[in-house]
Amino acid sequence: NFMLTQPHSVSESPGKTVTISCTRSSGSIASNYVQWYQQRPGSSPTTVIYEDNQRPSGVPDRFSGSIDSSSNSASLTISGLKTEDEADYYCQSYDSSNPVVFGGGTKLTVL
Amino acid sequence: QVQLQESGPGLVKPSQTLSLTCTVSGGSISSGDYYWSWIRQPPGKGLEWIGYIYYSGSTYYNPSLKSRVTISVDTSKNQFSLKLSSVTAADTAVYYCARVPLGYCSSTSCYAFDYWGQGTLVTVSS
Repeated sequence: NFMLTQPHSVSESPGKTVTISCTRSSGSIASNYVQWYQQRPGSSPTTVIYEDNQRPSGVPDRFSGSIDSSSNSASLTISGLKTEDEADYYCQSYDSSNPVVFGGGTKLTVL
Repeated sequence: QVQLQESGPGLVKPSQTLSLTCTVSGGSISSGDYYWSWIRQPPGKGLEWIGYIYYSGSTYYNPSLKSRVTISVDTSKNQFSLKLSSVTAADTAVYYCARVPLGYCSSTSCYAFDYWGQGTLVTVSS
């Protein structure tokens, strides 16, 4: 089984840019798509990035995703931070033995 | 616009079976265009995938829960259900149902959830 490790929390000021990492413990990050979900307090998760770097309709282009094979990690970058971006963010991927694996989540605080 | 709504008891006794149903509106489970999934989140913790089902009845479960989980589908009622047996306090969580478009399925996984229910809290306690 592989794990996806995220920082427990990150914080940044409004208008700035923040990047949240998601490191895969085994297997190549590039072999299976990574998704990112946003979960605001008291709400269900919603997709902000799918298939590594694709944004669903309605998600602002301030949100972007990427993968880095050298560090075996994926990243979610949010630019022009707004207070409404304050939420928990989860990465998710899979492999042949584990159809769905979530990272532990990162709490984003917009100060 | 599709909507998913979880329903079921909010309190289950230890060692008993947790049973939840997800009712889908605004779309047909029988369309065959989606997989239908259960995901849970213990209070204050992260997300854990439980399993998913296709309208035909094909199922895929989280290996860590497989021995206790059954997911079934009732296309006549446009519902799918979760049963989790031998529950303990560790099974206390918000349980979500969610949808995965078939276009987001590889040979080994259906990997991108596009719609989620609002979730229902199930507490395991005597």
